[in-house]
Amino acid sequence: IAGITQAPTSQILAAGRRMTLRCTQDMRHNAMYWYRQDLGLGLRLIHYSNTAGTTGKGEVPDGYSVSRANTDDFPLTLASAVPSQTSVYFCASSAAGVSNEQFFGPGTRLTVL
Amino acid sequence: GQNIDQPTEMTATEGAIVQINCTYQTSGFNGLFWYQQHAGEAPTFLSYNVLDGLEEKGRFSSFLSRSKGYSYLLLKELQMKDSASYLCASLNSNYQLIWGAGTKLIIKP
Repeated sequence: IAGITQAPTSQILAAGRRMTLRCTQDMRHNAMYWYRQDLGLGLRLIHYSNTAGTTGKGEVPDGYSVSRANTDDFPLTLASAVPSQTSVYFCASSAAGVSNEQFFGPGTRLTVL
Repeated sequence: GQNIDQPTEMTATEGAIVQINCTYQTSGFNGLFWYQQHAGEAPTFLSYNVLDGLEEKGRFSSFLSRSKGYSYLLLKELQMKDSASYLCASLNSNYQLIWGAGTKLIIKP
């Protein structure tokens, strides 16, 4: 089934631990994005990648890193998790072009204690 | 700064019409998106406007006024399944989406 998948679905993590959230799409989209969604706030862009091999910082990049080794995968790593990183994380992808819609993965609910 | 404003919550009756407003202030503008998000699920695309005017797509329509920094989403013949949050997002000069916090729409029978 074409689409975008994320893993894990949810995770409880101790503060200070390292965590990688996985994102894979099979739509051959060039652009991929990581957002966090917190209650009362809009989706906030963490990092993005316009094409394989390139990444950029979004609105809230501190404490997160990404890589884009190929078109399909765009993992997000928390090097040393802190409680303020408790959130729902969405990965998204889009084809080239300004007006192209972003397709979202199902999300990862992360709790940092 | 960049800012997207939309009401936090709205209530409407099944079968009725509801208009959800959005005002935006972003660094540059390359279009306005509306997404639907059911509780516990991912956002899904509804519409994209870059020119002034009304775009109609079935029961849903979206309007844009660039000079006023204003958009609305119009939902007709409301159904219970339309109960969801509706997210407004502006595409800025860096081609990044700036999102509003969303409007939770409650449909009553």
